[in-house]
Amino acid sequence: AQKVTQAQTEISVVEKEDVTLDCVYETRDTTYYLFWYKQPPSGELVFLIRRNSFDEQNEISGRYSWNFQKSTSSFNFTITASQVVDSAVYFCALSEVSNTGNQFYFGTGTSLTVIP
Amino acid sequence: ETGVTQTPRHLVMGMTNKKSLKCEQHLGHNAMYWYKQSAKKPLELMFVYNFKEQTENNSVPSRFSPECPNSSHLFLHLHTLQPEDSALYLCASSQKLGSGRGETQYFGPGTRLLVL
Repeated sequence: AQKVTQAQTEISVVEKEDVTLDCVYETRDTTYYLFWYKQPPSGELVFLIRRNSFDEQNEISGRYSWNFQKSTSSFNFTITASQVVDSAVYFCALSEVSNTGNQFYFGTGTSLTVIP
Repeated sequence: ETGVTQTPRHLVMGMTNKKSLKCEQHLGHNAMYWYKQSAKKPLELMFVYNFKEQTENNSVPSRFSPECPNSSHLFLHLHTLQPEDSALYLCASSQKLGSGRGETQYFGPGTRLLVL
């Protein structure tokens, strides 16, 4: 079963629109971590945010905001007033902490295109 | 230099060639990872090293051979590859494994490999 589901494969928005990227995860652990990464056309995955399972406070960083809801196992990412530079593939990831490692489970990514 | 660097950025090789991918991290981390990213597929974890010791090999074919001489450097030696091995190979690093804190992984820009 997929541990991280990003149901939206591709999204297109017009510049200045708001857009929300969905992420649903599955885990039985009580302690876990969630991440979002941005992958522009250049290829590098750029780290955006890390949240632990005990901190459900929503976070805002400039035009980016994240909504973490344990009740629905979701960690959605909203970009406000989108810009062309936001065009990229965005990955959500789950880390289940274990004694042996730091296993990351990545979603399949959402490709965002911002049209000028 | 800062962050995670990878060389070469692009590589074209024939099926009988031998080549190596290099990754170097300047973050003082102790865990390093190789991932494979193929078109339309999720990121695949290939190998994990923690303090120079290999901790994970996700059933990767023997034509891929990793080497980690120290915590800052990671190599992926390639030989007799197949066309289906064409992909973006990403290196990542994190503080260490087994800390129980879901360490963030930081990625390099990747090597785009084309096998002819």
